[in-house]
Amino acid sequence: AQTVTQSQPEMSVQEAETVTLSCTYDTSENNYYLFWYKQPPSRQMILVIRQEAYKQQNATENRFSVNFQKAAKSFSLKISDSQLGDTAMYFCAFMKQINYGGSQGNLIFGKGTKLSVKP
Amino acid sequence: EAQVTQNPRYLITVTGKKLTVTCSQNMNHEYMSWYRQDPGLGLRQIYYSMNVEVTDKGDVPEGYKVSRKEKRNFPLILESPSPNQTSLYFCASTSAGSGTDTQYFGPGTRLTVL
Repeated sequence: AQTVTQSQPEMSVQEAETVTLSCTYDTSENNYYLFWYKQPPSRQMILVIRQEAYKQQNATENRFSVNFQKAAKSFSLKISDSQLGDTAMYFCAFMKQINYGGSQGNLIFGKGTKLSVKP
Repeated sequence: EAQVTQNPRYLITVTGKKLTVTCSQNMNHEYMSWYRQDPGLGLRQIYYSMNVEVTDKGDVPEGYKVSRKEKRNFPLILESPSPNQTSLYFCASTSAGSGTDTQYFGPGTRLTVL
């Protein structure tokens, strides 16, 4: 069974600084997807970034980037130039890819990291 | 606008009173699922559906039922709610096999069972 571990329950960062959120996972699968979701106080689940395991290049989305280390089963999220609006709970998630190229669809979530951006 | 909708957004009920939380998506997605979110536990999958009339259990299915009679709708049914089902519920959908595999979440339903 797959597991996702986020070892930092809470973190804080000063506005405009850079912060890195950690995520490790355990799986015997070779093909899968990894995601970071943001959950602000509104409780909406917002996709931040996704990474396909077969891609060696780390995904980036504007101020958000990941450090994907497949051998180490590590998937950290870096937020550059932190903004007050980045204050939220962040969830790392794993999804298995099935044979025909699609996904099994079951997202396995970590327990989350609560990030506070301070002015 | 592509979206997943859930109703109601908030619900307070009593033990044993049957309830249904509706979920609808307008993206023609084959795959839909339900998650519950509890403090300190993250989100856990309750049930999922690969397509119309195809449903299966997720990680925490006890006490829940689902149905998928139409592609766009995937209601979650609590036949006899209990206080341990007090939680925040999310419906999600994705176009499995499309190569995107990104799940789109509804806004959530906050359920309190007294």
